Amino acid sequence: NAGVTQTPKFRVLKTGQSMTLLCAQDMNHEYMYWYRQDPGMGLRLIHYSVGEGTTAKGEVPDGYNVSRLKKQNFLLGLESAAPSQTSVYFCASRRVDVGTEAFFGQGTRLTVV
Amino acid sequence: AQSVAQPEDQVNVAEGNPLTVKCTYSVSGNPYLFWYVQYPNRGLQFLLKYITGDNLVKGSYGFEAEFNKSQTSFHLKKPSALVSDSALYFCAVRDMGSTRGNNRLAFGKGNQVVVIP
Repeated sequence: NAGVTQTPKFRVLKTGQSMTLLCAQDMNHEYMYWYRQDPGMGLRLIHYSVGEGTTAKGEVPDGYNVSRLKKQNFLLGLESAAPSQTSVYFCASRRVDVGTEAFFGQGTRLTVV
Repeated sequence: AQSVAQPEDQVNVAEGNPLTVKCTYSVSGNPYLFWYVQYPNRGLQFLLKYITGDNLVKGSYGFEAEFNKSQTSFHLKKPSALVSDSALYFCAVRDMGSTRGNNRLAFGKGNQVVVIP
């Protein structure tokens, strides 16, 4: 049982380039989340989805887009990368039941130069 | 919007001594509270949660946490720390007082725990 898998694990981008981060979960979870982790700031929510075909903005959505075309996948896109988007990105998922905990992927370390 | 405060950047404790990591929260309704641990270059792992019922909850690896509604706190504790407990600890809250808050998990900035042999 793989849980939550993020692809890629590491990436270096040049300013202005675009990329897509893929999150896949095999637990049939309804809810999926994208967070970014920066030193001293904890995890901040970028976007989330409460089901296939639906997405919503989190705390820091600017510069990112997401899509949830399939229940098991949640994609995070950077259309024009900026150095401020250098971070570690985490995907998480959970069941819809009230009170359930979220399961996290291993993270993607992104550097924008 | 819900929020979490973890006031200390780093907690140093000698091996075998009690470990406490502090967390306070702010929500509009009832809180669902969680603790996660992160080891270097890894994702977050769930430790324990408070949903309802007994204010003292027990979790993985000998950790426990006490929910205190009047002080809006959810401190993480371990009676006897191990060197292997050295990691980054995150407190998180879900606000059950709103639909939007219910869907979202807000994290504190994290506390680095260093257990000294």
